[in-house]
Amino acid sequence: DAGVIQSPRHEVTEMGQEVTLRCKPISGHNSLFWYRQTMMRGLELLIYFNNNVPIDDSGMPEDRFSAKMPNASFSTLKIQPSEPRDSAVYFCATSLGGNGYTFGSGTRLTVV
Amino acid sequence: KQEVTQIPAALSVPEGENLVLNCSFTDSAIYNLQWFRQDPGKGLTSLLLIQSSQREQTSGRLNASLDKSSGRSTLYIAASQPGDSATYLCAVMDTDKLIFGTGTRLQVFP
Repeated sequence: DAGVIQSPRHEVTEMGQEVTLRCKPISGHNSLFWYRQTMMRGLELLIYFNNNVPIDDSGMPEDRFSAKMPNASFSTLKIQPSEPRDSAVYFCATSLGGNGYTFGSGTRLTVV
Repeated sequence: KQEVTQIPAALSVPEGENLVLNCSFTDSAIYNLQWFRQDPGKGLTSLLLIQSSQREQTSGRLNASLDKSSGRSTLYIAASQPGDSATYLCAVMDTDKLIFGTGTRLQVFP
C-alpha cells in the first residue's frame, strides 16, 4: 500500500485565492482526519469523517474552511478565500476502527 | 476537555544515553495512546500504539508504558543514537479522534 497520499506537497498562493488540498486514504480505512500544524499551536484537529460522513468539524477555524469526502477514496480541504494566517502544514490521517493512525506527508501551505 | 502535556519540551543528550520522555493526559477515559516521531519538515511516523487494556509496548530500542489511572505514559529510548534526533509526539485517542501533545524535541549528539 502506498500509504496516505496528499497533494500538493507545497502550495504558495496569494491572499484571497482559493486553495484545495487533496488526500487519498489507505484503502479500507474508514476514518479520515484533517490536521493543521503550526509552530504556535502544534497539531490541531480540523475535521474528521467516519465512513465518508463528517462527524466533528468543531476544529474548522472559520467558514472559509470546508471539507468534503465524496467517496471512500478521496477527500478535499478547501480554503476560500485564503489568508496569510492560514499558512501552515496540513496533514491528512486515516485509520481503521481507531487502531492506530497513519499520516500523509502533509501539504505545506504558504499564503502571501 | 482532554489535554495532553509532554515533558520536557526539548532534550539534548550525548550518544549512548538511555532516555525517558513523559506524556500526561487529563482524562483517563482513553481508547489508546500512540507515540509518533516527526523529523524536521516531514510527516508523522507511528512508533508504538498502546491499547487502553495494555500496559506497555516494545519495538527495538523503544519501550512505551501506559498508566491510565494516573494519566501517564512514558517512552523509553535505550542507547540513543544521533539518528534518533527528532520531535516525539504523544497522542491519546479520545472517543474516535486523536489529541496531540506539544511534543519533545530530542537532539542526540555524537
